[in-house]
Amino acid sequence: DQQVKQNSPSLSVQEGRISILNCDYTNSMFDYFLWYKKYPAEGPTFLISISSIKDKNEDGRFTVFLNKSAKHLSLHIVPSQPGDSAVYFCAASDRGNTDKLIFGTGTRLQVFP
Amino acid sequence: NAGVTQTPKFRVLKTGQSMTLLCAQDMNHEYMYWYRQDPGMGLRLIHYSVGEGTTAKGEVPDGYNVSRLKKQNFLLGLESAAPSQTSVYFCASSYARPRRNEQFFGPGTRLTVL
Repeated sequence: DQQVKQNSPSLSVQEGRISILNCDYTNSMFDYFLWYKKYPAEGPTFLISISSIKDKNEDGRFTVFLNKSAKHLSLHIVPSQPGDSAVYFCAASDRGNTDKLIFGTGTRLQVFP
Repeated sequence: NAGVTQTPKFRVLKTGQSMTLLCAQDMNHEYMYWYRQDPGMGLRLIHYSVGEGTTAKGEVPDGYNVSRLKKQNFLLGLESAAPSQTSVYFCASSYARPRRNEQFFGPGTRLTVL
């Protein structure tokens, strides 16, 4: 049972436009969410996070939005750059077991000129 | 700081062979993790450790064993490799409050089991 779902395996966006990556979750005990970015042949790196007490967190070109009622979060990248081309993983932490993260299946973003 | 390092980077095994993957971190992190990444499956947690001498099962622990004899090292063992264990393996580490601090990942080990 996939508790964290990224239903779009891939996304293609033109440079300068907005990229929107989506993530849905099913577990109401999740209260902290993170986005990771992964380039080929490298390990994932942390990008941005959000606590369930907030509905938005911004860091430069990256903004994460959380809609708790819909159990949905999204990552917005504005403006998109070719260097943003990577696989993006959504991850969640369960308040009942904070020792580990549950990852989604990832979305491959391609930013073209 | 080297961060999180993994040894080896690549390995090819025959079915039934054994091997150990080594993860080392120099950030004095309490928590360490082993994941596997398969196409369309994302990152799945195999085992993890919340401190030296402790280990716990993750989502997909079968066929793997781990040990955390030293705080900076976390070993993942395959006693009898199977083709289903062909994957990319990532080690990660974090401070003792993973909910508030991100996990730092190693570069991965690509394992093929023939």
